[in-house]
Amino acid sequence: GDSVTQMEGPVTLSEEAFLTINCTYTATGYPSLFWYVQYPGEGLQLLLKATKADDKGSNKGFEATYRKETTSFHLEKGSVQVSDSAVYFCALSVTNAGKSTFGDGTTLTVKP
Amino acid sequence: SQTIHQWPATLVQPVGSPLSLECTVEGTSNPNLYWYRQAAGRGLQLLFYSVGIGQISSEVPQNLSASRPQDRQFILSSKKLLLSDSGFYLCAWTPGGVDSGNTIYFGEGSWLTVV
Repeated sequence: GDSVTQMEGPVTLSEEAFLTINCTYTATGYPSLFWYVQYPGEGLQLLLKATKADDKGSNKGFEATYRKETTSFHLEKGSVQVSDSAVYFCALSVTNAGKSTFGDGTTLTVKP
Repeated sequence: SQTIHQWPATLVQPVGSPLSLECTVEGTSNPNLYWYRQAAGRGLQLLFYSVGIGQISSEVPQNLSASRPQDRQFILSSKKLLLSDSGFYLCAWTPGGVDSGNTIYFGEGSWLTVV
């Protein structure tokens, strides 16, 4: 079946550090790939997405590139801020986006 | 603009008691609706989804049930809660139809603690 494996946390960085959260997947067919972010006590919200190979999703300084050859969708940001502290989820969807498969989440803490 | 709301935000229920979580979506028609559960430190597990009024699909066998009495209303229920039902429950919607690239829009979540 479909699965998503993402970098285990927690991840702790200093402000302005470079961030990478790894995400790899297995899927039948050609999935769309997503990163969602969950701030404390809230539901998830879309951070960025890519729907086909080699697409780059970007938002709020975060980027991820859909790499079909390595089945990866790593999340990166050049300079993190304290406000980026949250849980980040990688997800894939093969048919219906609402039936996405999610990774276990990576908790990011950014210290001033 | 579209909005999604679910309630209550938190609740503490004794084992064996009933449960009702409600979710409503505004600003769209014929949405696909979903209930997810998030166990502590884990990803999301899809429990139920609905493509229309009265149409419910269950993804995992469990102690819970779902109903969709109106186009934009989705209810998660249980007749008798178990300790293992504790968790963070998220209602969500996507536009109608089947599209792998659609964004999922999540509600604020409901924390359930069964004691």
